[in-house]
Amino acid sequence: SQTIHQWPATLVQPVGSPLSLECTVEGTSNPNLYWYRQAAGRGLQLLFYSVGIGQISSEVPQNLSASRPQDRQFILSSKKLLLSDSGFYLCAWGVSTNTEAFFGQGTRLTVV
Amino acid sequence: KQEVTQIPAALSVPEGENLVLNCSFTDSAIYNLQWFRQDPGKGLTSLLLIQSSQREQTSGRLNASLDKSSGRSTLYIAASQPGDSATYLCAVRGQGAQKLVFGQGTRLTINP
Repeated sequence: SQTIHQWPATLVQPVGSPLSLECTVEGTSNPNLYWYRQAAGRGLQLLFYSVGIGQISSEVPQNLSASRPQDRQFILSSKKLLLSDSGFYLCAWGVSTNTEAFFGQGTRLTVV
Repeated sequence: KQEVTQIPAALSVPEGENLVLNCSFTDSAIYNLQWFRQDPGKGLTSLLLIQSSQREQTSGRLNASLDKSSGRSTLYIAASQPGDSATYLCAVRGQGAQKLVFGQGTRLTINP
């Protein structure tokens, strides 16, 4: 069966520090991968998606970037965090665009 | 631009009741609609996926319906239990689109 792992579960980082959040999927090949952010009062927003290794599409211009160095690995990064980057970050995967989406357990990021 | 609305924002009912959660969307050109459950501080758990060509999907005590022409979906929960307490989110995927557009959710509390 397929599983998705995200880490860390919680993170407190100072403003201006770098960020690296990792997501891996097991039990499937060439999945579509997604990073969403859930901010209080704003719902879930798609940040990045990837349909293959090295292929990244950005939905929202911001202080973040994403990379997909391996087929089932998706990384969310920032060189310098802003207070506004605080939120709950969720990784998701799907077999294709039209199929069910499955989410990880999320990372709670607090920038102080 | 697709917008998804969930009403009510919060709902509290006694255990054993049947209940309906509502989801409406502004653009009927969707590919599918997905219902999720989110427990506090956790990721999203997929409950049901309805393709645009379908009218309903069932899983155990859950039944989701879709009326694409009117831009509405309902999630019916039969014989509610305290363990059903969570936030329920609906999300739609537009035709050819990668992202899911989410509603703000309905926070459901089932009282023993």
